[in-house]
Amino acid sequence: QQQVKQSPQSLIVQKGGISIINCAYENTAFDYFPWYQQFPGKGPALLIAIRPDVSEKKEGRFTISFNKSAKQFSLHIMDSQPGDSATYFCARLQGRNRDDKIIFGKGTRLHILP
Amino acid sequence: DTGVSQNPRHKITKRGQNVTFRCDPISEHNRLYWYRQTLGQGPEFLTYFQNEAQLEKSRLLSDRFSAERPKGSFSTLEIQRTEQGDSAMYLCASSISGGFSYNEQFFGPGTRLTVL
Repeated sequence: QQQVKQSPQSLIVQKGGISIINCAYENTAFDYFPWYQQFPGKGPALLIAIRPDVSEKKEGRFTISFNKSAKQFSLHIMDSQPGDSATYFCARLQGRNRDDKIIFGKGTRLHILP
Repeated sequence: DTGVSQNPRHKITKRGQNVTFRCDPISEHNRLYWYRQTLGQGPEFLTYFQNEAQLEKSRLLSDRFSAERPKGSFSTLEIQRTEQGDSAMYLCASSISGGFSYNEQFFGPGTRLTVL
């Protein structure tokens, strides 16, 4: 059973544009909502993470916006660059015992046109 | 290189054969996780260890799968009597437990298994 629903499945953005990826979840009994970036042939790497008591977090060109009432969160990539072309996964940490087990969305393949 | 390493990177096997993968975590990381990723999907949790103790197993981990972390350092994942449905990327991650903030998991490059 998927616990984070991610959209779109794929996204094409012009260089310099804003890339937006959305995720929805079912409840808030968990601690963190991270985003991962994965390049072909590599494992996922943590990009940025947010707690549900924070509405926005920005790190460089990457921003997470969190809407607790709507149970949604999104990743915005400002000034998108060809090097940002990768697959992005939203996720949530599952486990009241703080096992930090990660539940991933299905991923969004982002392609930035040069 | 002090990151998580996995060997082999690629494995091709025939259906019914046994395979074993190895993961070497970042030194001093006491937690080690195994995930499986099929094409076009996000990674799915399989199991995790804290030191040498296996604390949780997903129901995705059938009885053909076994994982060990004998001395709390490296880990092995064995699949017996492989099936074509086992074809996937097997990812290992490690982290340090404890504290009050998010404990980042660092992923290895994965082992891609192809079962013919």
